[in-house]
Amino acid sequence: DAMVIQNPRYQVTQFGKPVTLSCSQTLNHNVMYWYQQKSSQAPKLLFHYYDKDFNNEADTPDNFQSRRPNTSFCFLDIRSPGLGDAAMYLCATSREGTSSYEQYFGPGTRLTVT
Amino acid sequence: QKEVEQNSGPLSVPEGAIASLNCTYSDRVSQSFFWYRQYSGKSPELIMSIYSNGDKEDGRFTAQLNKASQYVSLLIRDSQPSDSATYLCAVSGGKSTFGDGTTLTVKP
Repeated sequence: DAMVIQNPRYQVTQFGKPVTLSCSQTLNHNVMYWYQQKSSQAPKLLFHYYDKDFNNEADTPDNFQSRRPNTSFCFLDIRSPGLGDAAMYLCATSREGTSSYEQYFGPGTRLTVT
Repeated sequence: QKEVEQNSGPLSVPEGAIASLNCTYSDRVSQSFFWYRQYSGKSPELIMSIYSNGDKEDGRFTAQLNKASQYVSLLIRDSQPSDSATYLCAVSGGKSTFGDGTTLTVKP
């Protein structure tokens, strides 16, 4: 089945220690998104890729970076995680060229910062 | 004012009742409207999309859109305990903006 896969599902890192989260998709969608979601809050868009074009949200901290080496993969790098970065990180995809922009989410990575 | 606002919860209904979830949005140029269901600790799952004024039905779910009033709703008929989740409204004119969600509990 076509899907969005995120690894790892759970990540524990130390304060200030860089961490990388990965996302892959078999849907062949050209748009990929990274969201941060904290408890009882809406998903907060960090950035998205429209094909290879990177789009950063204005309020995304510089501590967060992203890479998309090819259509199928996307990575989220947190250079120096703080306690406030503990959250669920969600990857989603959609297909441009339709009017819908329906998004399909991976299972998420739960990040804990100690 | 938030771009997407959902009725504050939590919402509790008895099994078999109709659950009504509401959402208003501020951007008049929005073209696409979505409802996602999110179980506790899980990621959002798309359950309904609606693009034109009126009603769209899918099984026990009905989405309603009124662009003039900038209002979109989700009705869940014959609510089941398995419908207990947080429901996120999302509005898109390109990328999606999510509401904070309404938590629904269906009591047996």
